[in-house]
Amino acid sequence: AQTVTQSQPEMSVQEAETVTLSCTYDTSESNYYLFWYKQPPSRQMILVIRQEAYKQQNATENRFSVNFQKAAKSFSLKISDSQLGDTAMYFCAFMNTGKLIFGQGTTLQVKP
Amino acid sequence: GAVVSQHPSRVICKSGTSVKIECRSLDFQATTMFWYRQFPKQSLMLMATSNEGSKATYEQGVEKDKFLINHASLTLSTLTVTSAHPEDSSFYICSARGTQGGENIQYFGAGTRLSVL
Repeated sequence: AQTVTQSQPEMSVQEAETVTLSCTYDTSESNYYLFWYKQPPSRQMILVIRQEAYKQQNATENRFSVNFQKAAKSFSLKISDSQLGDTAMYFCAFMNTGKLIFGQGTTLQVKP
Repeated sequence: GAVVSQHPSRVICKSGTSVKIECRSLDFQATTMFWYRQFPKQSLMLMATSNEGSKATYEQGVEKDKFLINHASLTLSTLTVTSAHPEDSSFYICSARGTQGGENIQYFGAGTRLSVL
């Protein structure tokens, strides 16, 4: 069975700095999708970034980028120029059979 | 991105009553909808998956007679918590997947906080 592990329950970063959130997963499949979702205090889940496993190029969305290491089964999220609005819980997720499998989440606090 | 509307955002009910939560995809057709449960500061736990016009598929350990799911159209799914008890109090989130923005992207509702007294 596929599993997703986020080993950092809580992290903090100063405003304007860069922070990296870690995520590892376990699967025997070769085709799959990986996602990072953000859940701010409002609890609305927001898609941050998406990566197809067959693509070697790392996905980027403005200040958000990923480091996808397929062989190591690692999918970290880098947030550049952190903003106060980035304060949220971040979930790494894996999809292969049509269902999202979420990691435990990392709570990120951006400090002014 | 696509919009998923979930209603109500908060409901308080007495023990033994039933509560219905609606989930609508507003600007796309949702071929598949998902219902999750989330406890404070924890991850989302998938309860069930539903496809339009067919019976929902429940995850192991989820009581299908307790959590009734209906997916009658491509834009609407409902979750009914029957004979609710205090232990059913939680945050329930729906999610929809269609072809808007890519077939493998799930969009989420804002969630429903259920409190059973």
